[in-house]
Amino acid sequence: SSELTQDPAVSVALGQTVRITCQGDSLRSYYASWYQQKPGQAPVLVIQGKNNRPSGIPDRFSGSSSGNTASLTITGAQAEDEADYYCLSRDTSDNPYVFGTGTKVTVL
Amino acid sequence: EVQLVQSGAEVKKPGESLKISCETSGYRFTTYWIVWVRQMPGKGLEWMGIIHPGDSKTIYSPSFQGQVTISADKSISTAYLQWSSLKASDTAMYYCARPREGIYGDYYFDHWGQGTLVTVSS
Repeated sequence: SSELTQDPAVSVALGQTVRITCQGDSLRSYYASWYQQKPGQAPVLVIQGKNNRPSGIPDRFSGSSSGNTASLTITGAQAEDEADYYCLSRDTSDNPYVFGTGTKVTVL
Repeated sequence: EVQLVQSGAEVKKPGESLKISCETSGYRFTTYWIVWVRQMPGKGLEWMGIIHPGDSKTIYSPSFQGQVTISADKSISTAYLQWSSLKASDTAMYYCARPREGIYGDYYFDHWGQGTLVTVSS
């Protein structure tokens, strides 16, 4: 099956912009979706498709894609954005899904 | 409102069996797949398998094939994940979620259950 690689951890100053990346061959064919997971909580979908935010997700979250890399950008990071973030893609093998390895975002 | 409500935390001994549930509401259960996701302590998300409640078609991740059984009961809009003989390494949080397909053929999970913590210890 495919793999999706994310940086283990990134930090961002309050109010600044941070980009989280996800790399993998399947991303050449399919958009990634992105999930925010705060400690002790279930993951929450924040971006899907080309750059679609579900209802209730702030517009400081945006998604983009180029080649084998998908990115989630938080523009003007807030303290409440501190969380783990995972990408998910449709797999190009026989399996339907593949998760990224996850990125811990710290807001300083 | 779409909701997925999972059964409560479980503490089991190695070798015991277990079946946890994911009760859905707010949509037509037989129209959408349900996926089960494992998260071991301090680790990332892993998809385990999916089921289409309409026809009970099931696909397992190679990592979980033969280790768990996924089922669904259409009459009560509930999906299940079960083990016949638990191991300590099954200790994890388990989530159910609803997979969707986007207009570009991408996949995403739009609604999640709150999770069921399974602890296996002697």
